[in-house]
Amino acid sequence: SQTIHQWPATLVQPVGSPLSLECTVEGTSNPNLYWYRQAAGRGLQLLFYSVGIGQISSEVPQNLSASRPQDRQFILSSKKLLLSDSGFYLCAWSAAWGGKQETQYFGPGTRLLVL
Amino acid sequence: GNSVTQMEGPVTLSEEAFLTINCTYTATGYPSLFWYVQYPGEGLQLLLKATKADDKGSNKGFEATYRKETTSFHLEKGSVQVSDSAVYFCALSDRDTGGFKTIFGAGTRLFVKA
Repeated sequence: SQTIHQWPATLVQPVGSPLSLECTVEGTSNPNLYWYRQAAGRGLQLLFYSVGIGQISSEVPQNLSASRPQDRQFILSSKKLLLSDSGFYLCAWSAAWGGKQETQYFGPGTRLLVL
Repeated sequence: GNSVTQMEGPVTLSEEAFLTINCTYTATGYPSLFWYVQYPGEGLQLLLKATKADDKGSNKGFEATYRKETTSFHLEKGSVQVSDSAVYFCALSDRDTGGFKTIFGAGTRLFVKA
């Protein structure tokens, strides 16, 4: 069966510090991968998605970046965090072949607090 | 562009009450429609889905019917339980440049009181 992991679960970082959040998927090949941010009490904002190694699409201009160094690994980074980067970050995957019918499967999330 | 609008919360109900959470969408194509649920401190998980007009998705006593004529996908449950307290997200998936993209509504928080 497929599983998705995210770490760390919780992170407290000072303003201006770097960030690296990691997401890995097991049990599937060539998944579509997604990073979302959920601000407190608000909906999901799609940040990045990837359909293959090294292929990243950015949805919102910001100081965050994403990379996909391996088929089942997706990394969210920042060189300098802002207060507004605080939130709940969710990684998700979907099967590449199912098209619009495909369900997205979410990881447990990382709660980031920037102080 | 595509969009999803769902009723604002929070919705507070007593146990065994009837639940409706409204969801309407705008899409240029023929999207698939989903309801996801997020329990406190967790990621989202699929609750149900429908892939074409008039399809009914159902799971755990929840159901929603894909209504193309009203561009709606309202979530209903006949008798809610305290364990149903969560945030519910309506979503659509459709073709976009470079593949398929899912758009989520803002979420509706449900509180069920014993």
